[in-house]
Amino acid sequence: GEDVEQSLFLSVREGDSSVINCTYTDSSSTYLYWYKQEPGAGLQLLTYIFSNMDMKQDQRLTVLLNKKDKHLSLRIADTQTGDSAIYFCAVDGGSQGNLIFGKGTKLSVKP
Amino acid sequence: ETGVTQSPTHLIKTRGQQVTLRCSSQSGHNTVSWYQQALGQGPQFIFQYYREEENGRGNFPPRFSGLQFPNYSSELNVNALELDDSALYLCASSTGTEGDEQFFGPGTRLTVL
Repeated sequence: GEDVEQSLFLSVREGDSSVINCTYTDSSSTYLYWYKQEPGAGLQLLTYIFSNMDMKQDQRLTVLLNKKDKHLSLRIADTQTGDSAIYFCAVDGGSQGNLIFGKGTKLSVKP
Repeated sequence: ETGVTQSPTHLIKTRGQQVTLRCSSQSGHNTVSWYQQALGQGPQFIFQYYREEENGRGNFPPRFSGLQFPNYSSELNVNALELDDSALYLCASSTGTEGDEQFFGPGTRLTVL
């Protein structure tokens, strides 16, 4: 079945850019998503990209998609301490409408 | 507009017991999906309900069952609880349109002792 992989931890300094990477196995996924989860909270959709796009920018967030390598990345510019959270990459699972998530990358932002 | 709500927030059960978790979908949404998030893991899809019918199911045993009501709220029932069922259970609602955003609730933290 579909597999989504992410590195588990990322630590950056406040004001730097953060880049969180994700790889997936199923090239038929139509939509690819980035979710944010803060401690004790549910998931918040940050952004998504349609599979026929290479890049999507939304304020401080830039998503890059390399379909050939099945690689998705999320860049957060000017990272703030409030960005500290776990970030999940997810791809759509097809006809069931389900999402397939990676294990999440814990982003720590140091002042 | 009311977002997705879940109850209870926390729950403690013992092995072998049964549990019912509840989810109220966002206004205008007819589709509810349930996910299990074990500690340190990403959410895993349990099943989805669309207009009161099960619309898809992940790799979970039959003791995980669900219902969706005419107002599109939903229940997740788990029978014969096992220690490994301890997790955060997330509910998400959407309009059921392909690619439509799934709005997640805050989750129910279930602990099985």
